[in-house]
Amino acid sequence: GENVEQHPSTLSVQEGDSAVIKCTYSDSASNYFPWYKQELGKGPQLIIDIRSNVGEKKDQRIAVTLNKTAKHFSLHITETQPEDSAVYFCAAPAEGGADGLTFGKGTHLIIQP
Amino acid sequence: EAQVTQNPRYLITVTGKKLTVTCSQNMNHEYMSWYRQDPGLGLRQIYYSMNVEVTDKGDVPEGYKVSRKEKRNFPLILESPSPNQTSLYFCASSLSFGRRNTEAFFGQGTRLTVV
Repeated sequence: GENVEQHPSTLSVQEGDSAVIKCTYSDSASNYFPWYKQELGKGPQLIIDIRSNVGEKKDQRIAVTLNKTAKHFSLHITETQPEDSAVYFCAAPAEGGADGLTFGKGTHLIIQP
Repeated sequence: EAQVTQNPRYLITVTGKKLTVTCSQNMNHEYMSWYRQDPGLGLRQIYYSMNVEVTDKGDVPEGYKVSRKEKRNFPLILESPSPNQTSLYFCASSLSFGRRNTEAFFGQGTRLTVV
């Protein structure tokens, strides 16, 4: 099935700096790439997604870039704030089409004051 | 308010005692799924359902059962829980799936401990 690799597993940045989390996927037919944020004690929540017909999408301080040739996509958070501290998951459609999403193993983002 | 509701939030049980974790969504979504979250392993899909009476195995289905008798409900059943099923469980629903994926909405999670 689809294989999604996510790096790094832990990322610590100073408040105000930028953070970048990277993911690679294996199925060249994948066409939808969401990012989820999981705060402590809560379920994951969609923060941004991108479809394969665009290379970049922005929403205020967060952006996602997609390189279909290299089969990787990245989450960029600028001007990080304490409330950005969370676990972030990337995902891609599971191979075969019917199985929903395959998730990366997650990145624990720590914002240092 | 659009939401996915899981119950209970916390559960401690003993090996072999059957239990059910309920999941209900109010968005009329066709697709529902169960995931377990373990440290270092991320979210792994247990079972999914594409519609009423249509269910299928995910990546880690052993030891679990599900049913989809109504569109809104998708309970997770552990017939004989074992300690290796101690985990954090999430139910999720979405309007569509596969190549037509749309946003997945997750419940608050159920932390299960099997002793």
